[in-house]
Amino acid sequence: EDQVTQSPEALRLQEGESSSLNCSYTVSGLRGLFWYRQDPGKGPEFLFTLYSAGEEKEKERLKATLTKKESFLHITAPKPEDSATYLCAVQAWNDYKLSFGAGTTVTVRA
Amino acid sequence: GAVVSQHPSRVICKSGTSVKIECRSLDFQATTMFWYRQFPKQSLMLMATSNEGSKATYEQGVEKDKFLINHASLTLSTLTVTSAHPEDSSFYICSAIRENTEAFFGQGTRLTVV
Repeated sequence: EDQVTQSPEALRLQEGESSSLNCSYTVSGLRGLFWYRQDPGKGPEFLFTLYSAGEEKEKERLKATLTKKESFLHITAPKPEDSATYLCAVQAWNDYKLSFGAGTTVTVRA
Repeated sequence: GAVVSQHPSRVICKSGTSVKIECRSLDFQATTMFWYRQFPKQSLMLMATSNEGSKATYEQGVEKDKFLINHASLTLSTLTVTSAHPEDSSFYICSAIRENTEAFFGQGTRLTVV
């Protein structure tokens, strides 16, 4: 069974204080690893898809990396508007379903 | 990014009535859509996989007669909560698969059963 574990559960940052979120996974053949941002009362917003170990993707202050066992989401010099819950999910090669982690709630204080 | 529209965003219904939630992929065709349920401060729980032109596949523990799913076209899937009860109150979210890989989500529907 596919498993996704995210850490930490919650992260409180000062504006400008860079940090990283972790997503550890086990899957029977990875098709893709996804990162989403979710604001309260909204659906998840797509951020990145990573397909193979060593791959990196960037978007504004966010950078996602992937190894064979985990993925990191780096937030560089965060701003209050980066406050949200960040969800990691994996998709196995033989299925389109996404298995989600519990998420990391990030709060950035001005 | 791709757009998935979910309607309504909020609905309040009386116990015993049925509620239909629509999920549309606006700028791509989706042969596969998913329906999730999310409880407060928890992650998304997959309820069922909706395939265009065929019966939905339900996850273990999800009542298929209570949560009716129809995927009649490549851009529309519907979830009907039948004979709703207060315990069905939740946040329901759909997603659509684009180009067999990327999953995009709707805005979610907050269902309150009174």
